[in-house]
Amino acid sequence: EVQLVESGGGLVQPGGSLRLSCAASGFTLSTYWMSWVRQAPGKGLEWVANIKQDGSEKYYVDSVKGRFTISRDNAKNSLYLQMNSLRAEDTAVYYCARRTTLDYWGQGTLVTVSS
Amino acid sequence: DVVMTQSPLSLPVTLGQPASISCRSSQSLVHSDGNTYLNWFQQRPGQSPRRLIYKVSNRDSGVPDRFSGSGSGTDFTLKIGRVEAEDVGVYYCMQGTHWPLTFGQGTKVEIK
Repeated sequence: EVQLVESGGGLVQPGGSLRLSCAASGFTLSTYWMSWVRQAPGKGLEWVANIKQDGSEKYYVDSVKGRFTISRDNAKNSLYLQMNSLRAEDTAVYYCARRTTLDYWGQGTLVTVSS
Repeated sequence: DVVMTQSPLSLPVTLGQPASISCRSSQSLVHSDGNTYLNWFQQRPGQSPRRLIYKVSNRDSGVPDRFSGSGSGTDFTLKIGRVEAEDVGVYYCMQGTHWPLTFGQGTKVEIK
């Protein structure tokens, strides 16, 4: 059974940093593109970033370019999102999902940026 | 960026009746590889999104056959054959043909 479990969310002050993790199981992580998608409270879905199987290609939505970094460790079956210079508008539930077609999703982890 | 426009944004439906959601893209979603990467997702209250349909009309495993997707180019539709109580939630279309990936605003389906 495919499982994706996010962790690392929490309350952080504006300008701060957080690192999200996504533990993958039930499939071979190294054979899939992976994605991060977020959802602000009461709002719709927004794609954040993607990473190729070997990490050689990464794509980001404009609003996070230069602040967020997606990475992966296939040996540890893990996906990461390093978030720096956080802003209030980054407050959201962050989901990891498999593939660019988002066929499986985790349960999400809440990031709150507030002073 | 490709803008995805859904309508309606709110859809009250009677149990057992059909429902239809439209999704239009600001440019063609036909990829250079010949595929059209238009997906539909369901998000039930308090849950993570779940993919229902991929590449316009392919149902994911475990998705009831009352859900169907159709369309081409820039115009797509999700249909629910006969709405059941468990279908309440927000439905999103998403294009995966062009970077960045973009979602529609969501259509809230509720029971009358």
